[in-house]
Amino acid sequence: DTGVSQDPRHKITKRGQNVTFRCDPISEHNRLYWYRQTLGQGPEFLTYFQNEAQLEKSRLLSDRFSAERPKGSFSTLEIQRTEQGDSAMYLCASSLGQGGAANYGYTFGSGTRLTVV
Amino acid sequence: GIQVEQSPPDLILQEGANSTLRCNFSDSVNNLQWFHQNPWGQLINLFYIPSGTKQNGRLSATTVATERYSLLYISSSQTTDSGVYFCAVESNNDMRFGAGTRLTVKP
Repeated sequence: DTGVSQDPRHKITKRGQNVTFRCDPISEHNRLYWYRQTLGQGPEFLTYFQNEAQLEKSRLLSDRFSAERPKGSFSTLEIQRTEQGDSAMYLCASSLGQGGAANYGYTFGSGTRLTVV
Repeated sequence: GIQVEQSPPDLILQEGANSTLRCNFSDSVNNLQWFHQNPWGQLINLFYIPSGTKQNGRLSATTVATERYSLLYISSSQTTDSGVYFCAVESNNDMRFGAGTRLTVKP
């Protein structure tokens, strides 16, 4: 297994366009997390899945953000009608967990850097 | 939501020195992790440590859950230790990172 993969690595888009990012977790991990990181800040939690169930999505930044994890495997994060303030690094992590929390440390992907012009 | 505070915000060391980074959190947590973000932006998990003490080479960490803090110790620092160290906690579906400690190790 090659770890957590994110695609694309970089995305430049015009304001108002929709973008979609993909995350492939470590295959045996049942938990998948999305974070956003802006320059000089710590990662900001967006949402997470346990298997195919999205257990927390209230922290998605607006209704323009949505995430899916069909069949509990890869996940996608979509941003509709992008704005310049959406420019950031979008990070995906996966872990093993049961019940209310991860039981092991997170493994992060390398991220997708979004630039909205 | 839960608050996570890290100190110091910045730390400059000479190669070979030791350091202690602190993470305070405002509520009980299900888990706590320490990460190193290298200059290329990759986040590397150092410790999963909801309680107790762990050691990995020159690094060790201690979490005292009842007093709501964790410490990361770096001994005999090397230039490759430079980067940002984050503490992250998970509590009731709230996954929070602290603002980080930026460590610079000079040769």
